[in-house]
Amino acid sequence: RKEVEQDPGPFNVPEGATVAFNCTYSNSASQSFFWYRQDCRKEPKLLMSVYSSGNEDGRFTAQLNRASQYISLLIRDSKLSDSATYLCVPLYQAGTALIFGKGTTLSVSS
Amino acid sequence: DGGITQSPKYLFRKEGQNVTLSCEQNLNHDAMYWYRQDPGQGLRLIYYSQIVNDFQKGDIAEGYSVSREKKESFPLTVTSAQKNPTAFYLCASSIGGVRGFRLQPQHFGDGTRLSIL
Repeated sequence: RKEVEQDPGPFNVPEGATVAFNCTYSNSASQSFFWYRQDCRKEPKLLMSVYSSGNEDGRFTAQLNRASQYISLLIRDSKLSDSATYLCVPLYQAGTALIFGKGTTLSVSS
Repeated sequence: DGGITQSPKYLFRKEGQNVTLSCEQNLNHDAMYWYRQDPGQGLRLIYYSQIVNDFQKGDIAEGYSVSREKKESFPLTVTSAQKNPTAFYLCASSIGGVRGFRLQPQHFGDGTRLSIL
């Protein structure tokens, strides 16, 4: 089983929609999770950090299900500017590099 | 402003040449990383360094070399042994380790696109 698995999408949604995508991880020792956003041909940028069961920041909510080993990202009231690839990153050991999923691509249309 | 600077933004290499990609950070971060991203693919770790004068191989280190002589700098050399070097190369840094019992995220430079002539 891969360490991180994400549905590549693309998820095509209209403006204003609510969309959610999951990320499953294989290492049950994962302690922290990050969601990064990557625009086309750009570097990844940190979107959210999740250190406990979840986190909410405006229209974005991340929830962690440790029993089933997945983390979800929910985006409410989608904007055109939300169109990007969203990378899930579990971190299970201090002092090591992050392991990135391949990402889920979201396309928001008007 | 603090940040991570990668240069050059675009780099072209002839077959058989070694090239060095620069990565400098002024965030006072201990840890630095190099990733490679191919079209439609995720990030793959090449090398990382948690402290000056020390570095570790990542998943795809073959054909690459690094040095970490200064905290601020982590250059990556793509050698002629790397058979498919065309890719988007991303450098990242982080505080490293644990701060306040929270593991720290990485921050990225804006990347270098390497192509083979």
